[in-house]
Amino acid sequence: DIQMTQSPSSLSASVGDRVTITCRASQSINSYLNWYQQKPGKAPELLIYAVSSLQSGVPSRFSGSGSGTDFTLTISSLQPEDFATYYCQQSYSNPLFGQGTRLDIK
Amino acid sequence: QVQLQPSGPELVKPSQTLSLTCAISGDSVSSNIGAWIWIRQSPSRGLEWLGRTYYRSKWYNEYAISVKSRITINPDTSKNQFSLQLKSVTPEDTAVYFCGREGLAAAVDVWGQGALVTVSS
Repeated sequence: DIQMTQSPSSLSASVGDRVTITCRASQSINSYLNWYQQKPGKAPELLIYAVSSLQSGVPSRFSGSGSGTDFTLTISSLQPEDFATYYCQQSYSNPLFGQGTRLDIK
Repeated sequence: QVQLQPSGPELVKPSQTLSLTCAISGDSVSSNIGAWIWIRQSPSRGLEWLGRTYYRSKWYNEYAISVKSRITINPDTSKNQFSLQLKSVTPEDTAVYFCGREGLAAAVDVWGQGALVTVSS
């Protein structure tokens, strides 16, 4: 099975900060890497699919990059509504989510 | 706009079968694009993909290894919905269950609201 390691598990930041979350797969997953945002009591929402494609309606301050086994989600300038938990997901084989990164206000 | 609405019992006894249904509006369960999936979330297991059903001239199902011996996902074309059945449940199956649609890159681009299912006697 492909394992996903997401880091950090938690992160404190301020409005306006640039934030980076990483996800590492135990083997190559080609471009089958997706990112989600989840707020308390809500279903996750898709932000980025296929490493770097921005889902319709998602602000352009969110971006994704990477290849093979190493991937990154970047938020260029944090907004108040961005404080949430973020998950990566490999959808290459036996889809699997990372453990999540909780982003809260410093 | 695609919307998904799950329904089913909130409480299931150990050893019984958990059954949930997801009603689809704005899309078709028989679509040749994408797939219909179930995911669950619990504090101990995080987000866990359970399986998918999809139509490509015939019906296909794929299941997570962790539940493969206990799970069935079925489409219901007459009602435009799909279902989840999980047999022989234990308290470890207590979770919020989400239905969803997989689109490009098998990313889940549409999510239903979560349905909390508790396994307890």
